[in-house]
Amino acid sequence: GAVVSQHPSWVICKSGTSVKIECRSLDFQATTMFWYRQFPKQSLMLMATSNEGSKATYEQGVEKDKFLINHASLTLSTLTVTSAHPEDSSFYICSARDESGKAPDTQYFGPGTRLTVL
Amino acid sequence: AQKITQTQPGMFVQEKEAVTLDCTYDTSDPSYGLFWYKQPSSGEMIFLIYQGSYDQQNATEGRYSLNFQKARKSANLVISASQLGDSAMYFCAMREGITGANSKLTFGKGITLSVRP
Repeated sequence: GAVVSQHPSWVICKSGTSVKIECRSLDFQATTMFWYRQFPKQSLMLMATSNEGSKATYEQGVEKDKFLINHASLTLSTLTVTSAHPEDSSFYICSARDESGKAPDTQYFGPGTRLTVL
Repeated sequence: AQKITQTQPGMFVQEKEAVTLDCTYDTSDPSYGLFWYKQPSSGEMIFLIYQGSYDQQNATEGRYSLNFQKARKSANLVISASQLGDSAMYFCAMREGITGANSKLTFGKGITLSVRP
């Protein structure tokens, strides 16, 4: 149980284009999902908290107009990197909070998306 | 001050032996939760074990156990009978305050574990 999928697993795009990443909870409903960014050999940096049916809450320093988050259903959240630039190249990983588990704050992670912007 | 501290730069363990990965935390909130995740080279983050601040006993999940010392604010992960597949990056994380819809996790910098055959 508690499986989270993420698509695509990797993407290469040209500078200036937009890229959409999907995060799905496959066997549970997730009111809350989270989006992280991770640089090589570093820890996870929380970008935003995504709540179903409401606006996302962004962490300080994260541009909400550049990283658009939509949590349209209890099983799907999307992150769109708009007008991507090479500095946006990174590993993006989502997680979903399983409220039904014995540890209700446990976040289950997707496999991540490696974005390369040329 | 860092909320989660993982200072071991890299750990090596012989296959089938036990290994302890250190984690100390800093919070003034009496209610919190501690988590350990494993990240292999493929990149996925795998949930291993959870310990609540009010839990009386140390958490255990198969070969994983958490050595929770509340007064010292440490939550070390113990992996018994190491396997080659245990080679990965390990992250300690904390949730402060009571559980809630927007409860965030704060992650440590991680520890690299290499299991030698």
